[in-house]
Amino acid sequence: NAGVMQNPRHLVRRRGQEARLRCSPMKGHSHVYWYRQLPEEGLKFMVYLQKENIIDESGMPKERFSAEFPKEGPSILRIQQVVRGDSAAYFCASSPLEALETQYFGPGTRLLVL
Amino acid sequence: AQSVTQLDSQVPVFEEAPVELRCNYSSSVSVYLFWYVQYPNQGLQLLLKYLSGSTLVESINGFEAEFNKSQTSFHLRKPSVHISDTAEYFCAVSSTQGGSEKLVFGKGTKLTVNP
Repeated sequence: NAGVMQNPRHLVRRRGQEARLRCSPMKGHSHVYWYRQLPEEGLKFMVYLQKENIIDESGMPKERFSAEFPKEGPSILRIQQVVRGDSAAYFCASSPLEALETQYFGPGTRLLVL
Repeated sequence: AQSVTQLDSQVPVFEEAPVELRCNYSSSVSVYLFWYVQYPNQGLQLLLKYLSGSTLVESINGFEAEFNKSQTSFHLRKPSVHISDTAEYFCAVSSTQGGSEKLVFGKGTKLTVNP
């Protein structure tokens, strides 16, 4: 059973470009979470999604950031017009419906904004 | 709302010594508690969790943590560490109430095991 998959593992963007981060949950998991890890900080919750629904986006910045989890395909975290402060590691986690309290993390995408 | 405090940002120890990584939390509701481990440039791996029942929980590689409700703590311990335990350890909580199972993390403790 493959774990949570994220791609790309590393992403370099120039200021003003768009960044798209992808997350494929573990097989059978229908719930996805995105977290951001800034240097020397713990992980901060961003958004929680089910298929085709955003359940909790209380941690998402108000502008430039969006997330989706379509019926088919991976979950996407999209950052428009990136700025240097967006440089961070972005982690996706998934959990099964029968055990929502336990989240399994992917390897992360490390975004560097030049 | 919940918050997690990991009092030690860095803990250096010698191989085969015991170690304790401290974690305290604050919450107005009951919580689940977790310890995750992160090796360099990797994602987080679940080390152990407390959901209910026995307050002492163990991992397969010798770590244990004890939930202390009165002290709102969930300290992580290992009686004898190995070089391979060098990593960053994160304590996390989530509310037991349904609706959003988001994890709230501490800032992490970097454990360095020296020979």
